[in-house]
Amino acid sequence: AQSVTQLGSHVSVSEGALVLLRCNYSSSVPPYLFWYVQYPNQGLQLLLKYTTGATLVKGINGFEAEFKKSETSFHLTKPSAHMSDAAEYFCAVTSESGGSTLGRLYFGRGTQLTVWP
Amino acid sequence: DGGITQSPKYLFRKEGQNVTLSCEQNLNHDAMYWYRQDPGQGLRLIYYSQIVNDFQKGDIAEGYSVSREKKESFPLTVTSAQKNPTAFYLCASIGQTSNQPQHFGDGTRLSIL
Repeated sequence: AQSVTQLGSHVSVSEGALVLLRCNYSSSVPPYLFWYVQYPNQGLQLLLKYTTGATLVKGINGFEAEFKKSETSFHLTKPSAHMSDAAEYFCAVTSESGGSTLGRLYFGRGTQLTVWP
Repeated sequence: DGGITQSPKYLFRKEGQNVTLSCEQNLNHDAMYWYRQDPGQGLRLIYYSQIVNDFQKGDIAEGYSVSREKKESFPLTVTSAQKNPTAFYLCASIGQTSNQPQHFGDGTRLSIL
């Protein structure tokens, strides 16, 4: 079974401060990991993904995430928050295991990021 | 541009009424998904389809039905059996491999009159 835990349903930072959104996953097979962002009343937009290879993954809008297998984590960071980063962020996991549903994603419950001026 | 189109953006349902949410994609993707989103609960899978004329129940299929008669289309019907249908519904699709991200539509917000 696969699952995702996002620690902290709400995170608040000041503009220019470090953003850290936490994600831990559970998977019995090598995972594929994704971070998505959602603005109000919109769909999800892909920020970045990890499949294989380099464990530090860079995405759009200055975000990056590091896959740490030993910690089963995939935390999302951004060195300097901008007002436009205020949104909800979702971590998701899937895998390429035999017989599994193609591309089925398991989502965390989301973290709402607020950025103060 | 290729993408996923969901319609309508907002939908209202009367008691005892079935309503259908549209999802169309021109990405030539094989697999399509319907999710329900409630505040603080993330996205929960309702139904999914990997090929035409085939679909499977997700985690919360009760009160919902789908069809997949064409590769491009995966409509979701919210039946009167769904007692708490007020939510944001998202449709997604993916190509042939799991290491590719899902593409999402902009969602339909369903409310009860």
